[in-house]
Amino acid sequence: DAKTTQPTSMDCAEGRAANLPCNHSTISGNEYVYWYRQIHSQGPQYIIHGLKNNETNEMASLIITEDRKSSTLILPHATLRDTAVYYCIVSDGGSNYKLTFGKGTLLTVNP
Amino acid sequence: SAVISQKPSRDICQRGTSLTIQCQVDSQVTMMFWYRQQPGQSLTLIATANQGSEATYESGFVIDKFPISRPNLTFSTLTVSNMSPEDSSIYLCSVAGRQGSNQPQHFGDGTRLSIL
Repeated sequence: DAKTTQPTSMDCAEGRAANLPCNHSTISGNEYVYWYRQIHSQGPQYIIHGLKNNETNEMASLIITEDRKSSTLILPHATLRDTAVYYCIVSDGGSNYKLTFGKGTLLTVNP
Repeated sequence: SAVISQKPSRDICQRGTSLTIQCQVDSQVTMMFWYRQQPGQSLTLIATANQGSEATYESGFVIDKFPISRPNLTFSTLTVSNMSPEDSSIYLCSVAGRQGSNQPQHFGDGTRLSIL
């Protein structure tokens, strides 16, 4: 699987947008970008995924650059409950469908 | 998404003993996986649980230590054998609908295991 690079930690004010970057410069053409988050004491929660087009769901938006070498997860109005470790993962979802978790970004939303 | 239940949610065990963790899904899924999360670390894939055949283990994990069963499309077990304090971790089950579909994996809340 391709590797990803994320900042170790980020802070965000409650009610503001949280923009979490991820670099995946060695991503292959058939690999998707997946985002998960893990709140303390819980299993990882799926947020969103995409191939090359920008995606939006009820939780977040995913912006993928045209060359697909990086992406940004956007939480439009962060709340205290969004404090978590956010993981950016690339995977082809095919016969070798496994997720390789890095260290992720600890997002702390402050009141 | 599927509802995934793991039992037990936590346990404290003596070294040298074995514990079997159960993962139950409320709908049929094609793929089931087992992960380990050591204290302060990220998740590491242990194996893919295959229905009707032996599990596929990742490098560093062996069947004798982590035997896995998957009798049907909604249930799997992971046994942690001959436990030592180094096995103290959170063990997580995840599921995905269909191989090759790019459907995301969904995780249970894990089993917190402490070995004395």
